[in-house]
Amino acid sequence: QVQLVESGGGVVQPGRSLRLSCAASGFIFSTYGMHWVRQAPGKGLEWVALIYYDGSSKYYADSVKGRFTISRDNSKNTVSLQMNSLRADDTAVYYCARGGDWNSLDYWGQGTLVTVSS
Amino acid sequence: DIQMTQSPSSVSASVGDRVTITCRASQSISIWLAWYQQKPGKAPNLLIYAASSLQSGVPSRFSGSGSGTDFSLTISSLQPEDFATYYCHQANSFPFTFGPGTKVDIK
Repeated sequence: QVQLVESGGGVVQPGRSLRLSCAASGFIFSTYGMHWVRQAPGKGLEWVALIYYDGSSKYYADSVKGRFTISRDNSKNTVSLQMNSLRADDTAVYYCARGGDWNSLDYWGQGTLVTVSS
Repeated sequence: DIQMTQSPSSVSASVGDRVTITCRASQSISIWLAWYQQKPGKAPNLLIYAASSLQSGVPSRFSGSGSGTDFSLTISSLQPEDFATYYCHQANSFPFTFGPGTKVDIK
């Protein structure tokens, strides 16, 4: 069965960096695009980033462009999100999700909470 | 960026009711639209993709329709487990965007 497990969340000061990871299992990881989506406390969903199955293309939300970097290691079945210059409004639960048919997000991890606070 | 709106923002309904949620895109997205259900403290769950295709394992009481800019999600007979928040998501162009959500709660 498809499983996505995020890790790396925690409390970080504004301006600092944090790296999230998502370990995938139960499917051929190297054939799927992978996304990060976040949800601020009590708020809606915000798409963050996508990386193609082979890492050849990456796309970002305007709110994180230039500060966040998505990457993947197909040999380890992991996708990562490097978050730099963190701000208070980056506080959210971060989900990794698998790219499905018609660019849907068909499987999601349980999420990892990132809190940016001094 | 493509903006997504949903209406209503919340709806109170009873078990057995038919519920329809609408989603509008600020420009045409063809059928590049998905719907998700999210329960408190849980990750979202894909219900519908390509505007009207039912994701495997999703009950048939859920259906989607629309194309271009106007879409809808219908629950034909609301069940207790359907009380949740529903989000539409445009997957036509980057950056992808979600609607603000519609909360379905118990009347």
